[in-house]
Amino acid sequence: KNEVEQSPQNLTAQEGEFITINCSYSVGISALHWLQQHPGGGIVSLFMLSSGKKKHGRLIATINIQEKHSSLHITASHPRDSAVYICAVISGYNNDMRFGAGTRLTVKP
Amino acid sequence: KAGVTQTPRYLIKTRGQQVTLSCSPISGHRSVSWYQQTPGQGLQFLFEYFSETQRNKGNFPGRFSGRQFSNSRSEMNVSTLELGDSALYLCASRGPSGVEAFFGQGTRLTVV
Repeated sequence: KNEVEQSPQNLTAQEGEFITINCSYSVGISALHWLQQHPGGGIVSLFMLSSGKKKHGRLIATINIQEKHSSLHITASHPRDSAVYICAVISGYNNDMRFGAGTRLTVKP
Repeated sequence: KAGVTQTPRYLIKTRGQQVTLSCSPISGHRSVSWYQQTPGQGLQFLFEYFSETQRNKGNFPGRFSGRQFSNSRSEMNVSTLELGDSALYLCASRGPSGVEAFFGQGTRLTVV
């Protein structure tokens, strides 16, 4: 079993829909990142969380440390949100970064 | 503040050759991590350098090596290239606390 599990693997939505991507992890962490990767490769960290909730525009990220679970929400999704979203945790033991397999999101106009 | 710079962006090599990739971290960051991304395996950790010392290493063969210079720029080298080494190689610049991470655009290596 992977230390970081994401669901769903693939997600197709219509423009305007509310989207949720989930991440569960099994190790102690010091922080969790939600990463976005567009075709072409570059990765951007959307959020870094160690507790609670963060909001940036239409994106919201939450984390429950006790339940070892985080969610990324996209409100009013848009085709430009189409990308791969990756959950990554920073190990509380040695600061290693460990990754989920990613969620491929396609938003159709 | 300049971001993380990886060069080259694209590379095509022949089996058996060797390749060197470069990563310049954000100014002031002393930690650089390298990752390999393939469609089947996702992102896999190669190694981490901090202040010119390899701090951690992933489960890759000895053909994969790296180093870090005094200005924090890092290089990774792959010798005796195999077809399976075709991948996107990403580096991340880690902030002083260790929890921040900033990624480069990656180098896409194709081995033919």
